[in-house]
Amino acid sequence: SAVISQKPSRDICQRGTSLTIQCQVDSQVTMMFWYRQQPGQSLTLIATANQGSEATYESGFVIDKFPISRPNLTFSTLTVSNMSPEDSSIYLCSVGQGGSNQPQHFGDGTRLSIL
Amino acid sequence: SQKIEQNSEALNIQEGKTATLTCNYTNYSPAYLQWYRQDPGRGPVFLLLIRENEKEKRKERLKVTFDTTLKQSLFHITASQPADSATYLCARSDSNYQLIWGAGTKLIIKP
Repeated sequence: SAVISQKPSRDICQRGTSLTIQCQVDSQVTMMFWYRQQPGQSLTLIATANQGSEATYESGFVIDKFPISRPNLTFSTLTVSNMSPEDSSIYLCSVGQGGSNQPQHFGDGTRLSIL
Repeated sequence: SQKIEQNSEALNIQEGKTATLTCNYTNYSPAYLQWYRQDPGRGPVFLLLIRENEKEKRKERLKVTFDTTLKQSLFHITASQPADSATYLCARSDSNYQLIWGAGTKLIIKP
């Protein structure tokens, strides 16, 4: 399965600032996803990163707050903009080949704390 | 809307016994149910996938069942070991690529 590298692994940021999280895959993949996970809660899909076009955002998430780039089939970034303490969470990148019978493979996440 | 429900209480099992975790879904049956393992500070790792018309799937010490009458999947680990201690996540996938996740059940295997 694909190896996913996510950077940074953790960060502590000041409110009002922005942080860009990187996700690098060791092979070309069809689908790349960004999730948020609060402790003890389920994974919530933020958006699907589409190569060469704008990301598809889920309800409750907007491009101005979470801009996403996907310049090629092995790399994506998620920016958390104008951060507030409510943005403190774990952000996870995952990849898949598409299709309901395909698993997703995850990076180890970015643990983000906002002061 | 579709939901996945997993027992939020931690499950404590004695080493060597079989651990059984439950995943319940709402509304119509998903095309697939997927099970993942998540260790602290790590991303989820895919374990098994079972199709709607499959009753059971096995992989080494792992077994997953899919009961459309009960709207439930059971995940079994036989001959459990302390190294099996982790949080186990269930997710449903339907006609597209998106997964809907449960919150996971923490499994603790005591030596």
